[in-house]
Amino acid sequence: QVQLVESGGGLVKPGGSLRVSCAASGFSFSDYYMGWIRQAPGKGLEWISYIHDRGDIMYYADSVKGRFTISRDNAGNSLSLQMDSLRADDTAVYYCARMAGYDYKDPFDYWGQGTLVTVS
Amino acid sequence: DIQMTQSPSSLSASVGDTVSITCRASQSIGNYLHWYQHKPGEAPKLLIYAASNLQSGVPSRFSGSGSVTDFTLTISSLQPEDFATYYCQQSYSSALTFGPGTKLDFK
Repeated sequence: QVQLVESGGGLVKPGGSLRVSCAASGFSFSDYYMGWIRQAPGKGLEWISYIHDRGDIMYYADSVKGRFTISRDNAGNSLSLQMDSLRADDTAVYYCARMAGYDYKDPFDYWGQGTLVTVS
Repeated sequence: DIQMTQSPSSLSASVGDTVSITCRASQSIGNYLHWYQHKPGEAPKLLIYAASNLQSGVPSRFSGSGSVTDFTLTISSLQPEDFATYYCQQSYSSALTFGPGTKLDFK
């Protein structure tokens, strides 16, 4: 079965950096677009980035553009999010999710349990 | 970016009730609208994709309708496990956006 397991969350100071990762299994990882979505405490879901299946095209929300970098390792079945210049308002649970098909127009059909990033 | 709104922001209901949640887009998005269920401490779950298509494994009491800018999620005969927060999401634009959520709780 499809599994997505995030790791790497933790406490970081404002202005610092952190890298969160997502280990994928149960499907052909290299065939799917992948994305990151976050949820700040008491807030709703916010899409922040996705990456094409080959890893050559990435999109970012304005709130993280220039500070966060998404990448993937298709050989290792993993997705990463490098977060730099972190701010207090980046505090959130970060979810890794698979896009259902081969296009950003597809929904996120599988999600991980999330990893908490606290900037303080 | 395309802005998504949802109404109501919260809703109280009882087991067996039928409820509807509305999602509106700030511009036409065709049928590129998806619905998710999210419970605290759990992974969000895809319910409905492309406005009206039931995701595999999701009970048939969930249904979706609408197009262009106005969409509705209907849950018939509410079950105890349905009390959660529901989000819509548009994928018409490459800048994906979620609605603010609708929290469904026990009356």
